Amino acid sequence: QKEVEQDPGPLSVPEGAIVSLNCTYSNSAFQYFMWYRQYSRKGPELLMYTYSSGNKEDGRFTAQVDKSSKYISLFIRDSQPSDSATYLCAMNLGGGADGLTFGKGTHLIIQP
Amino acid sequence: NAGVTQTPKFRVLKTGQSMTLLCAQDMNHEYMYWYRQDPGMGLRLIHYSVGEGTTAKGEVPDGYNVSRLKKQNFLLGLESAAPSQTSVYFCASSTGVSGNTIYFGEGSWLTVV
Repeated sequence: QKEVEQDPGPLSVPEGAIVSLNCTYSNSAFQYFMWYRQYSRKGPELLMYTYSSGNKEDGRFTAQVDKSSKYISLFIRDSQPSDSATYLCAMNLGGGADGLTFGKGTHLIIQP
Repeated sequence: NAGVTQTPKFRVLKTGQSMTLLCAQDMNHEYMYWYRQDPGMGLRLIHYSVGEGTTAKGEVPDGYNVSRLKKQNFLLGLESAAPSQTSVYFCASSTGVSGNTIYFGEGSWLTVV
């Protein structure tokens, strides 16, 4: 069983739609959860950062963590063609030196 | 506003050749990382460093060496390149505190023929 599971897609939706991206994980000790956005031929950039369970909102983006279900989500409202990218979930135990555990990424396409 | 800078951006190597990828960060971060990203495999940690003069192995360290002689630089070396090392390499850095949010460079595309 992989530590972090993420559907690779592609996920194609029309402009203006609400997008839901998800990851499941197996290690209940994970405490910090992040979403990265990666455009083609670019490095991942941090989009959202959440500690423990709950919701966090930033503009059109909402990150949700449900630790009891080991499930995290990223919602994008009023999706734009510029949101087309690969979205990577990531998580770690907190304070660890050995980096993050990543999902493999979901390729999102917003159709104009 | 440089952040994490990687050089070179593209390189083609012949099997058996050696090379070094250079990473520089200007955020005074303690922790630095080298990842590789392959289709269907996601991002995998090669080596990391928690401070100047320290290095440690990640998930896929074989065939690579690293050095952190200065806090702002983290070098990734391939002593004898193999086709299996064809990949995109990302350097990253972080403060190492509270959740350890990591910031990535733009990537180095390496092809071994």
